[in-house]
Order: sequence, then structure tokens, then C-alpha cells
Amino acid sequence: AQSVTQLGSHVSVSEGALVLLRCNYSSSVPPYLFWYVQYPNQGLQLLLKYTSAATLVKGINGFEAEFKKSETSFHLTKPSAHMSDAAEYFCAVTGAQQAGTALIFGKGTTLSVSS
Amino acid sequence: GAGVSQSPSNKVTEKGKDVELRCDPISGHTALYWYRQSLGQGLEFLIYFQGNSAPDKSGLPSDRFSAERTGGSVSTLTIQRTQQEDSAVYLCASSSRWGTDTQYFGPGTRLTVL
Repeated sequence: AQSVTQLGSHVSVSEGALVLLRCNYSSSVPPYLFWYVQYPNQGLQLLLKYTSAATLVKGINGFEAEFKKSETSFHLTKPSAHMSDAAEYFCAVTGAQQAGTALIFGKGTTLSVSS
Repeated sequence: GAGVSQSPSNKVTEKGKDVELRCDPISGHTALYWYRQSLGQGLEFLIYFQGNSAPDKSGLPSDRFSAERTGGSVSTLTIQRTQQEDSAVYLCASSSRWGTDTQYFGPGTRLTVL
């Protein structure tokens, strides 16, 4: 069985500060891991994904995430927050060996950015 | 190119009525997924289509929910005898033939059951 835990339903940072959104996964097979962002009243947009290549993955808008097997983590970071980063972020997992399975999502983390 | 589109964007219905939600996937994508997003349950998988294979219906919450995909493209999610707990945003996603490829999401249909 697979599952995703996102620690912190709400994270607040100041503009220019480091963004750190936490994600831990549980998977019985090698996982593919994803971060999606959802802006208000919009669908989900892929930020980045890990598919067993490089453990440090760079995505759009300056975000990156590091896959740490020993910690079963895939935390999302951005060195300097921008006001436009305010949104809800979802971590998701699917089994790399299980072609065609659906994404299992975490509960989401709402990021607020203050000036 | 065009992304995943869904219609209607909003749907208000009365309890007990049937509703149909439509999804147009990205052209050439053979995999299509339906998810539901609600405040209490977060993002939940509902059903998955891959090419001509039998759909994976393991996420459908009850037999009031069904979906079909015609001609390997457009999909319709039908909810019969709607209940207030069906109120949610229904999201559709599509991906290329490989199941673990990136899923691209549509904007969703917000369903409100009065």
C-alpha cells in the first residue's frame, strides 16, 4: 500500500524567505513522486517529479525537491519565496512498477507569503 | 497545445437528480483519470481508463457513480441520485500511454448538491 503524509497543513513565510514543505511517503515498491501546485479555482499543475533518476529534482518556478530513500522523504524547497508562490501544494506517489496506477495524494499544504 | 478541458465548470443540482460531467483529454493521451477533491477527504482517485482495457473502478465510492470513455477520448462521469456528500470538485487528468507518466489535470467541475 502507498500513502503520503504532508506535515503542516498551513505554512507561512515572508517574501524572500526559504520555503520548505514536507512530504513523507510509504510505498512497498520503488516510488515515483510528484509535487503539484493548485492556485485558487484552478486545476493542478505539475511542479516536479522524481522517477528514479537524479535524487535532486529541479522543477518550475525555482522549486526543487530531494528524494531521500533512507528518510522516505521528498521535501519541496525554494530558496526565496515570492508573493506569487501563495497556493496549495500537494505531494503524490505512485508505484514505478505499477504502470497505470492512480496518484495517491497527501492532504495538501497551503503556503501563505507575506510582504 | 490544448490542455485537458472539463465541462461544465460549475454545476448546481438538487438532491436525487442525476448529473453528467465531461472530460476532454489531451489529444493522443490514452490514459484518463477521474479524481474528486473535497474538504473532508482531500484528493481521491475515482476511476482510470487506459486505452481499450477494462477501466479500474476501484476508487468509485458507490454504485451511483459510473464513467465511460467513448472512442478512447472523451469521458463522462455520471452520478445518479446525487446526495449532498457528493458535493466536491471533480478533476480529470490524462497522460500518455505509460501509466506512470505525468498526469495533466483539467480545471475541474465544481458540483454542488442542494
